[in-house]
Amino acid sequence: AQTVTQSQPEMSVQEAETVTLSCTYDTSESDYYLFWYKQPPSRQMILVIRQEAYKQQNATENRFSVNFQKAAKSFSLKISDSQLGDAAMYFCAYSLQPNYGGSQGNLIFGKGTKLSVKP
Amino acid sequence: DAGITQSPRHKVTETGTPVTLRCHQTENHRYMYWYRQDPGHGLRLIHYSYGVKDTDKGEVSDGYSVSRSKTEDFLLTLESATSSQTSVYFCAIRGSATGELFFGEGSRLTVL
Repeated sequence: AQTVTQSQPEMSVQEAETVTLSCTYDTSESDYYLFWYKQPPSRQMILVIRQEAYKQQNATENRFSVNFQKAAKSFSLKISDSQLGDAAMYFCAYSLQPNYGGSQGNLIFGKGTKLSVKP
Repeated sequence: DAGITQSPRHKVTETGTPVTLRCHQTENHRYMYWYRQDPGHGLRLIHYSYGVKDTDKGEVSDGYSVSRSKTEDFLLTLESATSSQTSVYFCAIRGSATGELFFGEGSRLTVL
């Protein structure tokens, strides 16, 4: 069974600094998706970034980038120039395409990392 | 805006009472999901649907049932609520081409 592990329950960063959140996963599949979601105090789940496993290039979205190491099954999120609005829970998630490997396209989540940003 | 609404957004109920949470989508997506979120557990899949009247169990389905009689509505029912079902419940739909899920705003359920 696929699993997702976030080993840092809490992280803290100074405003304008860079922080990296860790995520590892376990799968025997070769084609899958990886995601980082942000959950601010409003509770809304917001997609931050997405990575397709067949793409070697690391995804980037403005100040957010990932370091995808397929062989190591590692998918870390780097936040550059941290802002107060980045304070939130961050969830790493994995999925397969529906009907691939018995999947129905659901996401498997890690337990989350709570990020605090200090002014 | 993925066009997902959940109702009710907040509910307090007593042990043993039935509860139904509703998820409504306006996007005509095939796949819909119910998750629960608890501290220290992340989000865990309860049930999912891959079409009208096509549903299946997820990781934590005990004590829950679902129904999907129309594409746009996916109902989650707790037949007899227990305190262990106090949680925040999220509905989600799957983006058709890109794999990510779009989430509703969540429903906070408290079972006393």
